[in-house]
Amino acid sequence: SQKIEQNSEALNIQEGKTATLTCNYTNYSPAYLQWYRQDPGRGPVFLLLIRENEKEKRKERLKVTFDTTLKQSLFHITASQPADSATYLCALARSGGYQKVTFGIGTKLQVIP
Amino acid sequence: DSGVTQTPKHLITATGQRVTLRCSPRSGDLSVYWYQQSLDQGLQFLIQYYNGEERAKGNILERFSAQQFPDLHSELNLSSLELGDSALYFCASSGRQGRDEKLFFGSGTQLSVL
Repeated sequence: SQKIEQNSEALNIQEGKTATLTCNYTNYSPAYLQWYRQDPGRGPVFLLLIRENEKEKRKERLKVTFDTTLKQSLFHITASQPADSATYLCALARSGGYQKVTFGIGTKLQVIP
Repeated sequence: DSGVTQTPKHLITATGQRVTLRCSPRSGDLSVYWYQQSLDQGLQFLIQYYNGEERAKGNILERFSAQQFPDLHSELNLSSLELGDSALYFCASSGRQGRDEKLFFGSGTQLSVL
């Protein structure tokens, strides 16, 4: 069955360092992959989208890579700040019209001052 | 503010009861998605509607049903509620039909079944 794996354990990182979060998937051929941020009690907020034919995408301090051979995406936050502390979710969707967008369980990031 | 409105924010009810959750999508968005989030399960896709028609279905229980109305708002009906139905229910909307769509989420309805 389809599976999306994110490290469900919290990731603690020192302020100013680069945080790297991992999203692995199996039995899936996504057309694109998205990353969302979720704060406690709030709805997820879209951050970045990367398509299957793209290797890397950047937005300000955020970078995402997508390796369809390894079936893995890496999400990087450079120069991390305490305000980056949140849960980060990856989401996958197939191409071809209507499809469900499937989310991983998320990784909680804590940036320590 | 995502532009997606969900009501009510909190709902407390008893087992066996029936509730309705409401969602108004962003202006102009035709797709509405419903998700259930519990602590140990993460975001679970329930169902998607596009312009009033059901387009994709996840692991939605038979006790649950949804619809999207001509004005594009959507309702999720949960019946014969059980303790395990307690969760945060999110609605999300998107614009174009199934093409690289980022989702805009509402703030959710926290359902507590006692």
